[in-house]
Amino acid sequence: GESVGLHLPTLSVQEGDNSIINCAYSNSASDYFIWYKQESGKGPQFIIDIRSNMDKRQGQRVTVLLNKTVKHLSLQIAATQPGDSAVYFCAEKGSDDYKLSFGAGTTVTVRA
Amino acid sequence: ETGVTQTPRHLVMGMTNKKSLKCEQHLGHNAMYWYKQSAKKPLELMFVYNFKEQTENNSVPSRFSPECPNSSHLFLHLHTLQPEDSALYLCASSAGGGKLFFGSGTQLSVL
Repeated sequence: GESVGLHLPTLSVQEGDNSIINCAYSNSASDYFIWYKQESGKGPQFIIDIRSNMDKRQGQRVTVLLNKTVKHLSLQIAATQPGDSAVYFCAEKGSDDYKLSFGAGTTVTVRA
Repeated sequence: ETGVTQTPRHLVMGMTNKKSLKCEQHLGHNAMYWYKQSAKKPLELMFVYNFKEQTENNSVPSRFSPECPNSSHLFLHLHTLQPEDSALYLCASSAGGGKLFFGSGTQLSVL
């Protein structure tokens, strides 16, 4: 079956530095990947997504990189701010258009 | 505001109680989901409804009973729950293609 995992459960970052959050996936047939941010007391919020025919996609202060050769996904946050403190989840979609598999999440803490 | 509204935000219930969680989406999506989120664990898919029809029941115990009267509303009826059912219950909706929109969740405590 599908499994999605993150390399590190926690990440501490100095304010202003760049953050990199990593995710490994096992289903080579997955064709869509997505990153969510979950702040305390809220549901997961969409950050950025990428399809398997791409290897990089940029948003506002965020970049997602996809390496299909090693089945690795990463989220880069530029100039990390206190408001970026949250739990970040990666998820993948296989052949079922209505089903995502989620990783356990990385807790990012931003130090002032 | 994500367009997916869940009520109540918090719920405390005894093991013999019956309660219901409600979810409403204003996004025009055809699919709605229930997820369970426990501490230190990935999100667990419970149920999927697509155009009001249940398409996924992920081996969920019968003490959780979903209801989807239309594509905009989803309920989760709870009865005789166990303390280990305490968790954050998240509702989501989707138009297909993978991207889910989540509500803020109901934090459930079973005493």
